[in-house]
Amino acid sequence: EIVMTQSPATLSVSPGERATLSCRASQSVSSNLAWYQQKPGQAPRLLIYGASTRATGIPARFSGSGSGTEFTLTISSLQSEDFAVYYCHQYNNWPFIFGPGTKVDVK
Amino acid sequence: QVQLVESGGGVVQPGGSLRLSCAASGFTFSSSGMHWVRQAPGKGLDWVAFITYDGSKKYYGDSVKGRATVSRDNSRRTVVLEMSSLKPEDTALYYCAKDGLYGDYEGDWGQGTLVTVSS
Repeated sequence: EIVMTQSPATLSVSPGERATLSCRASQSVSSNLAWYQQKPGQAPRLLIYGASTRATGIPARFSGSGSGTEFTLTISSLQSEDFAVYYCHQYNNWPFIFGPGTKVDVK
Repeated sequence: QVQLVESGGGVVQPGGSLRLSCAASGFTFSSSGMHWVRQAPGKGLDWVAFITYDGSKKYYGDSVKGRATVSRDNSRRTVVLEMSSLKPEDTALYYCAKDGLYGDYEGDWGQGTLVTVSS
């Protein structure tokens, strides 16, 4: 089973600043990596699939990069609505696995 | 638009079983793979199961393998998750999700149904 790790566990950022979230897979998942945003009391929301393709309606300030085992989600200028938990998710091998999440909170 | 509505949650005793349903609308259900994902209170996401569009292939997470069965009825636009030998650690909000347009990732999600395993 692939193990997904995310760092940092918590990222404290001021509004307007850039946030960089990392995700690592224990073996290659090619580009079959998705990112989700989850706010309290809400279902997860797809942000990125294919490691770098924004889902429909996702603002351009969200970008994904990487392939193989190392991935990054960047939020170029944090807005108030972006404070949330972010999960990476590999869908290259069964069983699919989510990372443990990175909480982005207000500095 | 895509709508996924889960039902069947509630309180179950340890060792018991559950049957969760997900009713789908707003998309071509018979062409879509479907996932179940769960989230224990205050914890992260735990992928549970996937069934292909025609039900021919099924995959399970390690935490439920051997205790879970996923099935679907395309005529009723419904996907079902059955689990047995429930443990307190199965307590979670169970989401169903539709696969993505360009891959097997979870594209659209329901709001979840809560299962509590407790005596």
